[in-house]
Amino acid sequence: DAGVIQSPRHEVTEMGQEVTLRCKPISGHNSLFWYRQTMMRGLELLIYFNNNVPIDDSGMPEDRFSAKMPNASFSTLKIQPSEPRDSAVYFCASSPAESSYNEQFFGPGTRLTVL
Amino acid sequence: AQSVTQPDIHITVSEGASLELRCNYSYGATPYLFWYVQSPGQGLQLLLKYFSGDTLVQGIKGFEAEFKRSQSSFNLRKPSVHWSDAAEYFCAVYYGGSQGNLIFGKGTKLSVKP
Repeated sequence: DAGVIQSPRHEVTEMGQEVTLRCKPISGHNSLFWYRQTMMRGLELLIYFNNNVPIDDSGMPEDRFSAKMPNASFSTLKIQPSEPRDSAVYFCASSPAESSYNEQFFGPGTRLTVL
Repeated sequence: AQSVTQPDIHITVSEGASLELRCNYSYGATPYLFWYVQSPGQGLQLLLKYFSGDTLVQGIKGFEAEFKRSQSSFNLRKPSVHWSDAAEYFCAVYYGGSQGNLIFGKGTKLSVKP
């Protein structure tokens, strides 16, 4: 079975540019999570969706960050404009509908470097 | 506030030696507990989980963890470490309620020397 798919795996961009990260959750999972991982702050939850609806976006750092989930098989995280401090690894995770234990399955991550 | 503590930032063990990584959590109710491993350049992979029942749980790659309610701990163990176990290990705790409430520790980086 395919796991969570993220693209691109690596992204290098210049400050001020728009960045779009993509995620395809595991088929049948109804919850999707976006995390950011940095050395300083560890793993932080940015936003999560349940049945394509954003439930909690309190972790989104600023208005420059936005996330969408237009359907059950696709989500995007957009940063516009990007800044050097956004450099991090961004993970997408999904969780099955039947899991009341919040077992999350992670994608390989996108390593973002903003110059 | 709910929290997860991994007191060891970096541990080095010799190949073949035993390993124990510590994890402590706050809060009184029994949470759901997880250990994830992150190999360099990779995502997080679930090693094992505890929801209820037997407090000693077995996971993949020869790992096990023991839930001790009295100590609010969920330590990860492996009797004999292999060089391929070098990675970063994260303890995570879910207390229920909002699905966004999966709290991760800061991680413990494991180095294995020959």
